[in-house]
Amino acid sequence: SQQGEEDPQALSIQEGENATMNCSYKTSINNLQWYRQNSGRGLVHLILIRSNEREKHSGRLRVTLDTSKKSSSLLITASRAADTASYFCATDAGPNFGNEKLTFGTGTRLTIIP
Amino acid sequence: GAVVSQHPSRVICKSGTSVKIECRSLDFQATTMFWYRQFPKQSLMLMATSNEGSKATYEQGVEKDKFLINHASLTLSTLTVTSAHPEDSSFYICSARQSLRDTQYFGPGTRLTVL
Repeated sequence: SQQGEEDPQALSIQEGENATMNCSYKTSINNLQWYRQNSGRGLVHLILIRSNEREKHSGRLRVTLDTSKKSSSLLITASRAADTASYFCATDAGPNFGNEKLTFGTGTRLTIIP
Repeated sequence: GAVVSQHPSRVICKSGTSVKIECRSLDFQATTMFWYRQFPKQSLMLMATSNEGSKATYEQGVEKDKFLINHASLTLSTLTVTSAHPEDSSFYICSARQSLRDTQYFGPGTRLTVL
């Protein structure tokens, strides 16, 4: 299986704290993306980082990518109750630079305690 | 932004019946659509890749005769679960890709329950 793994599987923190999730994958990639999924809903795209990038920011999100270790991390700063959701990383390793098949990680269930 | 819709959002059917799920890109043309399956508290597993006007490419282990995919236009793909059984109960999610952009846009998902 090419599926990546994420840790922790579940994370509970107090509102206002920072949340860090990690993702590891197995093959070389073109890019890595993070998605959020609220319970029983579809996926919302959060951020994309290309294989030649090491860090990217978007609002309260910070993503890092270490291709030598085949790992990525997602940091959510100043967490809010609305951040409660499952977070998935997804890698794109298609032959063309672009969005070919995505392979999703196992996900982290984040719970923000008010 | 790019919006993808799915219909129905929830369906309950009897074992042995067929169910059709629609996936539409509302404000862009999608040359490629993807169908995923997600079991409770698990990750998304790609079932098939659908290109407009051509046959879908199925992932290993996915029965093409059971999960019929049609991508008849640049804004619509359908997944038909034929002769559904309780083990087909799952959350089915589609996504659509704009050919010149890097992001897949996901639909809200369809919860299928087979009794």
